[in-house]
Amino acid sequence: DGGITQSPKYLFRKEGQNVTLSCEQNLNHDAMYWYRQDPGQGLRLIYYSQIVNDFQKGDIAEGYSVSREKKESFPLTVTSAQKNPTAFYLCASSSGGSGINQPQHFGDGTRLSIL
Amino acid sequence: GNSVTQMEGPVTLSEEAFLTINCTYTATGYPSLFWYVQYPGEGLQLLLKATKADDKGSNKGFEATYRKETTSFHLEKGSVQVSDSAVYFCALTTTSGTYKYIFGTGTRLKVLA
Repeated sequence: DGGITQSPKYLFRKEGQNVTLSCEQNLNHDAMYWYRQDPGQGLRLIYYSQIVNDFQKGDIAEGYSVSREKKESFPLTVTSAQKNPTAFYLCASSSGGSGINQPQHFGDGTRLSIL
Repeated sequence: GNSVTQMEGPVTLSEEAFLTINCTYTATGYPSLFWYVQYPGEGLQLLLKATKADDKGSNKGFEATYRKETTSFHLEKGSVQVSDSAVYFCALTTTSGTYKYIFGTGTRLKVLA
């Protein structure tokens, strides 16, 4: 079955450490997204990518970085510059292009905590 | 700019009660509208969608009608079950040239047996 796989499910970060969250999709989608969700809050867009080798900042990009070297993969790095990284991180994908009005598909999320 | 406004929760209902979760939007162009559901510790799942005015999306007993005149997309279910307890998000996307989706803040539903 096609879908989005996020790993790991739980991740712990020490002070001053960078950590990378994995997101892989086999839906052949052009567009991929990273969101942050804090307890009781909605989704806030971190970065998105419409096509391989291209990505744009979302609303809260500071302290995060991404790459899009392959269509299937869109890893997110939470850098030490992100002072409050504890949150639930969701990766999503969509058709993009001619499928602009198609829904997003989401992974099961990664919960990041500070040690 | 584009935005989505949802009723604040939590919404607490008894089993078999009627559910309405209000959603209104502001958008340029011709948005597509979505409802997603999120169970604890999981990602969002698409519940239903509507891509043009007067379309009705439906799934698992839930329905929502795209009302352009009132810019609304309210979620309804005639008889809720305990298993419907979750957080519901209204969202939209437009043909404005960016591939961004706009989400409401979510409404938590708790159904009591």
